[in-house]
Amino acid sequence: EDQVTQSPEALRLQEGESSSLNCSYTVSGLRGLFWYRQDPGKGPEFLFTLYSAGEEKEKERLKATLTKKESFLHITAPKPEDSATYLCAVQGGDTGRRALTFGSGTRLQVQP
Amino acid sequence: KAGVTQTPRYLIKTRGQQVTLSCSPISGHRSVSWYQQTPGQGLQFLFEYFSETQRNKGNFPGRFSGRQFSNSRSEMNVSTLELGDSALYLCASSPGTLTDTQYFGPGTRLTVL
Repeated sequence: EDQVTQSPEALRLQEGESSSLNCSYTVSGLRGLFWYRQDPGKGPEFLFTLYSAGEEKEKERLKATLTKKESFLHITAPKPEDSATYLCAVQGGDTGRRALTFGSGTRLQVQP
Repeated sequence: KAGVTQTPRYLIKTRGQQVTLSCSPISGHRSVSWYQQTPGQGLQFLFEYFSETQRNKGNFPGRFSGRQFSNSRSEMNVSTLELGDSALYLCASSPGTLTDTQYFGPGTRLTVL
């Protein structure tokens, strides 16, 4: 059974204070690891897809990296508008199975 | 391109009733997946449809069902509602290739009284 653990559960940063969110996973045959951002009362917004260990992707102040056991979402010089819940999900196993297994998320609050 | 749309956005029902939620995927996307999100359990997979066929099903009781139409639009139905069915129901669409990304709609907030 696929498992995803995210840490920390909650993180409070000052504006400009860089940090990293962790996503540890156990999956049989990783086909993709996904990062989403979710604002209260809204659907998850896609950020990144990583497919293999060593891969990195960047978008504005965010950078996602992947190893064989975990992924990190690095936030550089965050702004208050980066406040949200960040979700990590994996897709693995059967090639016909598209179901995503999600972690419980990290609630990020960036204070001005 | 328009994103994933879900209707209605909010629903209030009473125990024992049934409910139908609708999802229109991104144009050209053939796969639609449904997820339930609750504070206690987080995001959990319900089922996935591709070309009008259910491809996968999560660990939910048979009261939860769905279907997909020839235009890729999908509906999910919950019968005999229970208090614990109160949740945000999310629909996600993807092109349907093996490692594609799922894009989520805004969700339907269901409250069961």
